[in-house]
Amino acid sequence: LAKTTQPISMDSYEGQEVNITCSHNNIATNDYITWYQQFPSQGPRFIIQGYKTKVTNEVASLFIPADRKSSTLSLPRVSLSDTAVYYCLVGDMAPGFKTIFGAGTRLFVKA
Amino acid sequence: GAVVSQHPSWVICKSGTSVKIECRSLDFQATTMFWYRQFPKQSLMLMATSNEGSKATYEQGVEKDKFLINHASLTLSTLTVTSAHPEDSSFYICSADGEGSYEQYFGPGTRLTVT
Repeated sequence: LAKTTQPISMDSYEGQEVNITCSHNNIATNDYITWYQQFPSQGPRFIIQGYKTKVTNEVASLFIPADRKSSTLSLPRVSLSDTAVYYCLVGDMAPGFKTIFGAGTRLFVKA
Repeated sequence: GAVVSQHPSWVICKSGTSVKIECRSLDFQATTMFWYRQFPKQSLMLMATSNEGSKATYEQGVEKDKFLINHASLTLSTLTVTSAHPEDSSFYICSADGEGSYEQYFGPGTRLTVT
């Protein structure tokens, strides 16, 4: 399982774009990169998943460079409700794949 | 979208008693479910992998006789914390593999407090 490294915490202000970078130097060929969001006392919620280049959905974008050794989750125009812990996970995500969570990044959005 | 539920959402029990937590996939079948434990301000820790119709696979350091897992159907897995002690107080979360997707769906979690 590829080990991931993320900043422990980040601060931002409402309306700003937030970029959270995750390092995964030993990512394998079959591995996908998945980001989850977790609010206190709730289960994690899927945000976005990608394999290479750029993926965008209604809530975020995921940028993956050609070497795939890192990835960046981009949250456009954050609001107070985006204050949460964000986890970067790397793995082949095939059925039965064990998801091992790293420490995650605590994002604080201020007014 | 795929929904995973947990019951109860919170439970308080006395030391020495057993508590059962249910995890259900509401609108899809889940061959594999996972159980996690999360202490305050910490990340999720995988406890075990639950496979329908077979024995669960426990992570290193997790006592299988204390945390009994049963996955009797494709939509239900249960975690029983036996002879609970205050140090078992935690937030327990389950997840299930999505059908045909590379995504895991997480339940809302169960807060266990052992007094």
